[in-house]
Amino acid sequence: DTGVSQDPRHKITKRGQNVTFRCDPISEHNRLYWYRQTLGQGPEFLTYFQNEAQLEKSRLLSDRFSAERPKGSFSTLEIQRTEQGDSAMYLCASSLQGTAEAFFGQGTRLTVV
Amino acid sequence: AQSVTQPDIHITVSEGASLELRCNYSYGATPYLFWYVQSPGQGLQLLLKYFSGDTLVQGIKGFEAEFKRSQSSFNLRKPSVHWSDAAEYFCAVAPSFTGGGNKLTFGTGTQLKVEL
Repeated sequence: DTGVSQDPRHKITKRGQNVTFRCDPISEHNRLYWYRQTLGQGPEFLTYFQNEAQLEKSRLLSDRFSAERPKGSFSTLEIQRTEQGDSAMYLCASSLQGTAEAFFGQGTRLTVV
Repeated sequence: AQSVTQPDIHITVSEGASLELRCNYSYGATPYLFWYVQSPGQGLQLLLKYFSGDTLVQGIKGFEAEFKRSQSSFNLRKPSVHWSDAAEYFCAVAPSFTGGGNKLTFGTGTQLKVEL
């Protein structure tokens, strides 16, 4: 296992388009987290899953954002009707329940033009 | 609400010099504490963590951090900095209670520059 994998690494999209990102966690990890990082800031929590259940969503996650983890393995984060303010690095992390030690992927850099 | 403060936005040190990056947190109880490092355009790599016990923790790449409960601080140190240490460093906290989800709250980061 090579760690947390995110795809794509970079995405440029026009305002108003929909985008979807994928995250493959470390295989034995049952928790999966999404964070957003804007320039000059630390990552901010968006949502997390325990197995296939989405247990918490941040107020940052507007109605245009939706995340899924259908079989408790990989996860997708979709942004509908993208806005320029959505431009950021989207980071995925995974952990084993109870360990608190999260491992991060390389991130997906989204640019909305 | 919990918060993490990293008062130094940028720090420049000479290669071989010692380093200390500051981190203070505000939390209802002692949380789990972490330091992560991020190279440009990359994800975050865990340097070290504190859960309980010995307040001086050792991490990878020669880094260490000391938890001081009375000061709500978790400062990162390295005795001798290498040019490859240039990166952005983030302090983070997570709930220590069961059911807290262990989501991380990050500081705004400290950008480290190393002069040769």
